[in-house]
Amino acid sequence: QKEVEQDPGPLSVPEGAIVSLNCTYSNSAFQYFMWYRQYSRKGPELLMYTYSSGNKEDGRFTAQVDKSSKYISLFIRDSQPSDSATYLCAMSAVIGQGAQKLVFGQGTRLTINP
Amino acid sequence: DAGVIQSPRHEVTEMGQEVTLRCKPISGHNSLFWYRQTMMRGLELLIYFNNNVPIDDSGMPEDRFSAKMPNASFSTLKIQPSEPRDSAVYFCASRGTGRNTIYFGEGSWLTVV
Repeated sequence: QKEVEQDPGPLSVPEGAIVSLNCTYSNSAFQYFMWYRQYSRKGPELLMYTYSSGNKEDGRFTAQVDKSSKYISLFIRDSQPSDSATYLCAMSAVIGQGAQKLVFGQGTRLTINP
Repeated sequence: DAGVIQSPRHEVTEMGQEVTLRCKPISGHNSLFWYRQTMMRGLELLIYFNNNVPIDDSGMPEDRFSAKMPNASFSTLKIQPSEPRDSAVYFCASRGTGRNTIYFGEGSWLTVV
């Protein structure tokens, strides 16, 4: 079983729709949760960062973490064609000597149709 | 800030040849990561350095792969001999001290024919 599971999609929605992207994980040691966005032929870039459980909002984006269920979500409101990209969840845990290991989900390919 | 710099951006090589990918992390960052991305397997961590020391190389597929970080501003990932199944995008990433987020380079697109 993978440490982090993410539906690879593809997911296609009309412009203006609310998008929900999700990941589940098995390692209860994960404490830091991130969402990265990756445009075609580019490197991933950090979109949202959350520590432990709770919600975080940044403009049209909301990240949720439920540690009890080992489940994280990213919501995109009023989706735009420019949001079309692959979204990767990522999680990290301390592995010793202050070092941290970051594990990524497989990524969900999202297309917003005008 | 110049960001993480990787070279070459694109490489096409024949099976059996040696491939060397290079990375310059963001200045001041003390952690460096090498990832491989494919459609089938997604983004996989190959090896992780902290203060130039390899911390976790459990993701290195086999002995054909090796990575070095001789100093804080340079790292290499070498594949020798290369095989067609090594074709992928290889990303280097770095992270600052005490930080939890990592910053990626633009990737090295490797094709082994």
